[in-house]
Amino acid sequence: DAKTTQPNSMESNEEEPVHLPCNHSTISGTDYIHWYRQLPSQGPEYVIHGLTSNVNNRMASLAIAEDRKSSTLILHRATLRDAAVYYCSQVNNNDMRFGAGTRLTVKP
Amino acid sequence: DAGITQSPRHKVTETGTPVTLRCHQTENHRYMYWYRQDPGHGLRLIHYSYGVKDTDKGEVSDGYSVSRSKTEDFLLTLESATSSQTSVYFCAISERQGAYNEQFFGPGTRLTVL
Repeated sequence: DAKTTQPNSMESNEEEPVHLPCNHSTISGTDYIHWYRQLPSQGPEYVIHGLTSNVNNRMASLAIAEDRKSSTLILHRATLRDAAVYYCSQVNNNDMRFGAGTRLTVKP
Repeated sequence: DAGITQSPRHKVTETGTPVTLRCHQTENHRYMYWYRQDPGHGLRLIHYSYGVKDTDKGEVSDGYSVSRSKTEDFLLTLESATSSQTSVYFCAISERQGAYNEQFFGPGTRLTVL
């Protein structure tokens, strides 16, 4: 079974970069890596995804290890609105397997 | 925000009763998904649909069935609810196959089975 693991929680200071790690111990060559985040009482929100190369968008950057066994979501300047639970996942076709999530706290 | 609604938003029911949750979209997206979210497990895929009348099982499909008779509606049915099905249920949609595309999630339905 697909297995993704993440730290339970992390803290950051406002306006500093944050690196959220994820291990993809069972990832296969065709699995994509996706990241979502979830605010309290809301559905998850898409952040970024990639296959092999590092990816950037307006929200974040995604760094994928060469062996693809790990990925890192990078928030370049954390804001208070970035406080959320962040989920990494690996996706094969339509089968998305999520990690248990990392709760990010941003301190002013 | 993507046009996804879920109904009901909250439901309390008793063990052994049938329950149907509805997901409705206005985006005309081909793919629709049902997930459940439990503490310590993140989200787990129950079933998904890749078109009208086309569905497939996910990671935790036992005890659940789905139907999609129209592009815009995806129904999740618990034929005989059990306490282990107490959870928050999320519907999601995507334009293309899930791996290549972002999924848009609905607001969720909190189900309590007593």
